[in-house]
Amino acid sequence: DQQVKQNSPSLSVQEGRISILNCDYTNSMFDYFLWYKKYPAEGPTFLISISSIKDKNEDGRFTVFLNKSAKHLSLHIVPSQPGDSAVYFCAASEENQFYFGTGTSLTVIP
Amino acid sequence: ETGVTQSPTHLIKTRGQQVTLRCSSQSGHNTVSWYQQALGQGPQFIFQYYREEENGRGNFPPRFSGLQFPNYSSELNVNALELDDSALYLCASSKYRAQNIQYFGAGTRLSVL
Repeated sequence: DQQVKQNSPSLSVQEGRISILNCDYTNSMFDYFLWYKKYPAEGPTFLISISSIKDKNEDGRFTVFLNKSAKHLSLHIVPSQPGDSAVYFCAASEENQFYFGTGTSLTVIP
Repeated sequence: ETGVTQSPTHLIKTRGQQVTLRCSSQSGHNTVSWYQQALGQGPQFIFQYYREEENGRGNFPPRFSGLQFPNYSSELNVNALELDDSALYLCASSKYRAQNIQYFGAGTRLSVL
């Protein structure tokens, strides 16, 4: 049973425009949500997180939005840069259980 | 600051064998988690260790076991290997309960023939 879902396997965006990556979840008990970025041959790298008691968290070009009623999470990257091209994983945690989505491959076109 | 390191990077085993994968945590981290990532999938949580004890476990059979040592390094042991165990195995370290932010190693690619 997939508790964290990323329904878009891939996304292409022009450099300078906004990238929006989406994630849906089913478990209302998740306490933290995180986004990780993964380059080939490397492990996932932490990008940004949000507590379940908040609805927005910003860090530079990256903003994560949490809509608890819709059980939906999104990551906005503005402006997108070619170096942002990577696979992005949405993750969620409950106590000491961790769940990852299947990833969205973002390509930023120069 | 030393990051998370895993060894070996690649490993080939045959069905029925046993394997041990190793992980050194990032400096200052006291918690380690292990994940299995099959091709085209996201990481699947195997278990977490804190203070040398298993502190959470995903939906994996008992033939997946682990150890955490006093220096917070860790091992993942898999017995009676099956073909479906072929995957990238990721280790992640963290400070206990620190917003659950984890720092990953590059992984060990295990192939079971």
